[in-house]
Amino acid sequence: KQEVTQIPAALSVPEGENLVLNCSFTDSAIYNLQWFRQDPGKGLTSLLLIQSSQREQTSGRLNASLDKSSGRSTLYIAASQPGDSATYLCAPETGTASKLTFGTGTRLQVTL
Amino acid sequence: GAGVSQSPRYKVAKRGQDVALRCDPISGHVSLFWYQQALGQGPEFLTYFQNEAQLDKSGLPSDRFFAERPEGSVSTLKIQRTQQEDSAVYLCASSLRLNTEAFFGQGTRLTVV
Repeated sequence: KQEVTQIPAALSVPEGENLVLNCSFTDSAIYNLQWFRQDPGKGLTSLLLIQSSQREQTSGRLNASLDKSSGRSTLYIAASQPGDSATYLCAPETGTASKLTFGTGTRLQVTL
Repeated sequence: GAGVSQSPRYKVAKRGQDVALRCDPISGHVSLFWYQQALGQGPEFLTYFQNEAQLDKSGLPSDRFFAERPEGSVSTLKIQRTQQEDSAVYLCASSLRLNTEAFFGQGTRLTVV
């Protein structure tokens, strides 16, 4: 059974800092891995999708890397802004139903 | 539609009542998923449809939970005889096909009193 751990559980940084969020998973037989953000009381917004054959994916200030064999992914956020404050969730996709398995996320607060 | 739409956004049910939660996926998306998110936790898989076929229902917590997608588009998650432990946010997601990017709706927050 796939298990996902995200470290740290919570993070507070001043505006402008670069930061790294970590995700580890136990079953390396994944199709891909998605990073999402979730604002309080809202659904999930897809940020990046990395296919299992890829090492990294970039979108604007976000860069996600994937080391499938070691069961790790990182999300790098450059020049953080207060609008980046949210919970960030990683979810590897596994199994015949392509189900996503989520950790409990990293709650990020970017302060002025 | 522009995105995945879920209704209602909020539902309060008395214990023992039946509820029905609706999901309108993105037009043309073959795959549809339901997830349950308890407070402070990540979403957990409930069930998966490919078109109208329910191919995986291994995450449904009990036989009180039932999902359908009769015409391969709109899906309904039904919970019979609701219990307090059913209180959660129910999220629907769709993707164009297997192994592609999943898009989530805003969710339905169910509170059982």
